[in-house]
Amino acid sequence: LAKTTQPISMDSYEGQEVNITCSHNNIATNDYITWYQQFPSQGPRFIIQGYKTKVTNEVASLFIPADRKSSTLSLPRVSLSDTAVYYCLVATMNTGFQKLVFGTGTRLLVSP
Amino acid sequence: DSGVTQTPKHLITATGQRVTLRCSPRSGDLSVYWYQQSLDQGLQFLIQYYNGEERAKGNILERFSAQQFPDLHSELNLSSLELGDSALYFCASSVGASGNTDTQYFGPGTRLTVL
Repeated sequence: LAKTTQPISMDSYEGQEVNITCSHNNIATNDYITWYQQFPSQGPRFIIQGYKTKVTNEVASLFIPADRKSSTLSLPRVSLSDTAVYYCLVATMNTGFQKLVFGTGTRLLVSP
Repeated sequence: DSGVTQTPKHLITATGQRVTLRCSPRSGDLSVYWYQQSLDQGLQFLIQYYNGEERAKGNILERFSAQQFPDLHSELNLSSLELGDSALYFCASSVGASGNTDTQYFGPGTRLTVL
């Protein structure tokens, strides 16, 4: 079964740009890549979603290469409140049925 | 506040017991998803229901079962509990049937501790 992998942790300083990559080499055709943010003791919260190339919203950008085997979440000018765990979510095909798979999660620590 | 409610917030029980976790989706959402989050396994998708019917299945054990009722609330039943079942259980909901194209809204979770 395909694995969806991310770096375990990243450190940054306020005001810097942070890029978090997710590897998903068995993504189902025509399915989207979604990123979620999770604070301690809370449920994950939607950040951004895309299918290919680049998507941008008010909080982040998502870069997806043509082969779609990976994606990169970009957080511009992070602040202390961006300290959280970030997950990618994809759907993979396994024996003919779709399965939702969250990445392993990246713990981002933003320091002053 | 996502609009998804889960009860109870905390649950402590013994091995071998059975518990039921409850989830009420956001108003208007037809899909309910269940996830298990433990320290060593991360966020694991268990099962999805859409408008009362099972839609997708993940790594759900045979000791676990779920259902979605006509009013769209859902229950996750965990039986013959083992120590390893201790985890946070999240429910999420979405408007449509596709968990990876629809935005999922997560509840606050139920923390299950099996002693």
